[in-house]
Formats: sequence, structure tokens, C-alpha cells
Amino acid sequence: SAVISQKPSRDICQRGTSLTIQCQVDSQVTMMFWYRQQPGQSLTLIATANQGSEATYESGFVIDKFPISRPNLTFSTLTVSNMSPEDSSIYLCSVAGNDGYTFGSGTRLTVV
Amino acid sequence: GQQLNQSPQSMFIQEGEDVSMNCTSSSIFNTWLWYKQDPGEGPVLLIALYKAGELTSNGRLTAQFGITRKDSFLNISASIPSDVGIYFCAGFIAGNMLTFGGGTRLMVKP
Repeated sequence: SAVISQKPSRDICQRGTSLTIQCQVDSQVTMMFWYRQQPGQSLTLIATANQGSEATYESGFVIDKFPISRPNLTFSTLTVSNMSPEDSSIYLCSVAGNDGYTFGSGTRLTVV
Repeated sequence: GQQLNQSPQSMFIQEGEDVSMNCTSSSIFNTWLWYKQDPGEGPVLLIALYKAGELTSNGRLTAQFGITRKDSFLNISASIPSDVGIYFCAGFIAGNMLTFGGGTRLMVKP
């Protein structure tokens, strides 16, 4: 299965600032997925990122708040913009493989 | 969207005990996945199920894809301390995104 390198692993950010999270995959993949995991909760899909087209956002998530880039088939970034304490969560990227979905190790974001 | 009901939400285990958890859905899936998440890590795939009725083992873990395609269970036999963590079920059907259950938190009995 694919190996995903996600960074940063954690960050503490001031409200009003933005953080960009990166995911690098060791193989080419068509779709990459970005999830949010709020404290003590399950995973919620933010958006699906396809190379060469705009990301598709799930209900409750918008591009202005969570802009996504997908410049090639092995890399994607998610930016959490104009952060507030409510954005404190774990953010994870994921790719689909032959044997299921593989996840990055996550970015634990704390907004103060 | 689709929802998965996962139970129990949490449970205490004593070393050597068998553990069972399950997920049910109002919709059918054609793939069921079981993940484990350790603190500070992303979910790691334990078992993938692709056919209704399929029973698959991975070491001390056994999972089954329900005949109705609306449920799945995961059993852990002879639990050990490193089994502690959060277990998630996830369902998938073509044309839709992966849907996660709420998770089962396994803790060690004091």
C-alpha cells in the first residue's frame, strides 16, 4: 500500500493566521482526500483533491476556508485559513489503494 | 449522508479477554474496512472485507462482512495491552466517499 508523508505533525497557531499542511505520497494516485478529526470524534471528509481540477468539498466545508492544491499526482496541500480555536483538530490526508484507504499520520493543530 | 452506528463507544479490557465490536448501517456497502488509531497517529488499516458473508482474519483479529451488507463486526481474541486504542469501521460503495463509524475506544481495566 502507498506510504504517505504528512507534515507538520503538529503546530500551535495564533488565531487569524493560516497553516498549510502537506502530504507526499510515494506513488502516483488519482484522488487524495482530506479529513478532519475533531477531539474525541471520528473522521469527517473535508474534500477530495484531483490533480488538474478544483477540489470537491463536502457539505459544511468551503474553498475559502480550506483551499487545497494538487499540483501533481503525488502531492497535495490543505490550508486552514483565518484560524479560530474551533479549527483545533487533527487533519489527515488519505489515498485509495487496492487494499483500502491509507492515511497520513495526521497534523494536530491547536489554535490559541 | 450515510451514517454508521458503531458500538460500543468504549470498553475496558483485561489482558486475555476477547473483545467484540460492530457497525451497522441503514445503507448497503460493498466494502467494509476496519482501522485502528493510536494516539498521535493516523488510522492504520487492519482488515478489508469485499464480499457479503466474507470472514477474514489477521492474527488475533477476525472481521466479518454481514450478509445484508449493512453490518460488520470485529473480534479481537486474547487481548494484549497494545490492543488499546481507537477502532473505526468504515464503509464504502462505488460513487460515494468512505463513511466512518464513531469509533470504539479500547482501554485497559484498572
